[in-house]
Amino acid sequence: GAVVSQHPSRVICKSGTSVKIECRSLDFQATTMFWYRQFPKQSLMLMATSNEGSKATYEQGVEKDKFLINHASLTLSTLTVTSAHPEDSSFYICSARGFGRREQYFGPGTRLTVT
Amino acid sequence: DQQVKQNSPSLSVQEGRISILNCDYTNSMFDYFLWYKKYPAEGPTFLISISSIKDKNEDGRFTVFLNKSAKHLSLHIVPSQPGDSAVYFCAASEGGSEKLVFGKGMKLTVNP
Repeated sequence: GAVVSQHPSRVICKSGTSVKIECRSLDFQATTMFWYRQFPKQSLMLMATSNEGSKATYEQGVEKDKFLINHASLTLSTLTVTSAHPEDSSFYICSARGFGRREQYFGPGTRLTVT
Repeated sequence: DQQVKQNSPSLSVQEGRISILNCDYTNSMFDYFLWYKKYPAEGPTFLISISSIKDKNEDGRFTVFLNKSAKHLSLHIVPSQPGDSAVYFCAASEGGSEKLVFGKGMKLTVNP
């Protein structure tokens, strides 16, 4: 149980284009989903927290107009990187948490490369 | 200010022996602690957690110990297996907060 999927696993895009990453909880309802970014040899950096049906809460320093998050249902959240630049290249990971639970279950991550 | 610290960047143990991974925290409001395992280019996998009302939680080969007075927790893996080789993250959360605060991780290598 507690499986989270992410799609795509890897994406290469040109500078200036937008990329959408999907995060799905497959066998539970996720009241809260989280988006993280991991830089090489560093820990996970929380970007934003989203609850189903409401606007995401972004961490300090994360541009909400650049990283658009939609949590349309209890099993799906999407992160759209708009007008991507090479410095947005990174490993993006989502996680989901069920109602009343405190542990987060993570997706497999998406490697974004902006050329 | 790093609230969750994993001071040792790496640990190497022999297969079959015990692995002890340590974690310290500074925020006395943390009341729930978790350990995750992560392989390269993958998302973290939840291993085990402990609430601050306990001092020990065991799940198979994994045991987490919590020492609240010292603000210290440890993960014991016994016996260690080569497949345990990964980066391990300690994380903590505060009641009322949805967020997890992660340590920087520690690379465990289990040698056959």
